Amino acid sequence: QQQVKQSPQSLIVQKGGISIINCAYENTAFDYFPWYQQFPGKGPALLIAIRPDVSEKKEGRFTISFNKSAKQFSLHIMDSQPGDSATYFCAALNDYKLSFGAGTTVTVRA
Amino acid sequence: DAGVIQSPRHEVTEMGQEVTLRCKPISGHDYLFWYRQTMMRGLELLIYFNNNVPIDDSGMPEDRFSAKMPNASFSTLKIQPSEPRDSAVYFCASSWGGRETQYFGPGTRLLVL
Repeated sequence: QQQVKQSPQSLIVQKGGISIINCAYENTAFDYFPWYQQFPGKGPALLIAIRPDVSEKKEGRFTISFNKSAKQFSLHIMDSQPGDSATYFCAALNDYKLSFGAGTTVTVRA
Repeated sequence: DAGVIQSPRHEVTEMGQEVTLRCKPISGHDYLFWYRQTMMRGLELLIYFNNNVPIDDSGMPEDRFSAKMPNASFSTLKIQPSEPRDSAVYFCASSWGGRETQYFGPGTRLLVL
């Protein structure tokens, strides 16, 4: 049973468009929420992360929005580029253990 | 800097054989994690070590799986005997402090026939 639920499973966006991926959790013990990016044949790589005392964090074209009361967080990819085509995983940390969402495959069409 | 190194990158074996996966964490990192990735179950934490000591192995699926970390530079994940349902990509990750950024290796793609 996955502790972090992620949607959608996949999405297609035009170059320059916005990609939005949503995640939800139940365990209030989670205290760190990273997003990982994975390209085919590679390991996941940390993209951006947020703590629950912050509602938004932006790094370049990537923004995390965090709603603690709703136990939801999302990743926004602005001005999507073909190089952003990858699988994105949300995750949540409790103690030293990361629980991952199922992943979203993003395809950016040129 | 070299990242996390895993070997082999691909392994094909027959059911019943012993499989050993290897990992070299980033130098200076004190936490090491083993994950398994499958289409059905996604990314699952199997076990993690702190300063070479296993801390939590609750994710290890069965007694057929074992992991060791004899020193700060090397860890192994062993499956004995292997079964077709063990087919997956196995990742090793390391971090400093354990609480935040985990650096993943390229993974070992295991196929058990």
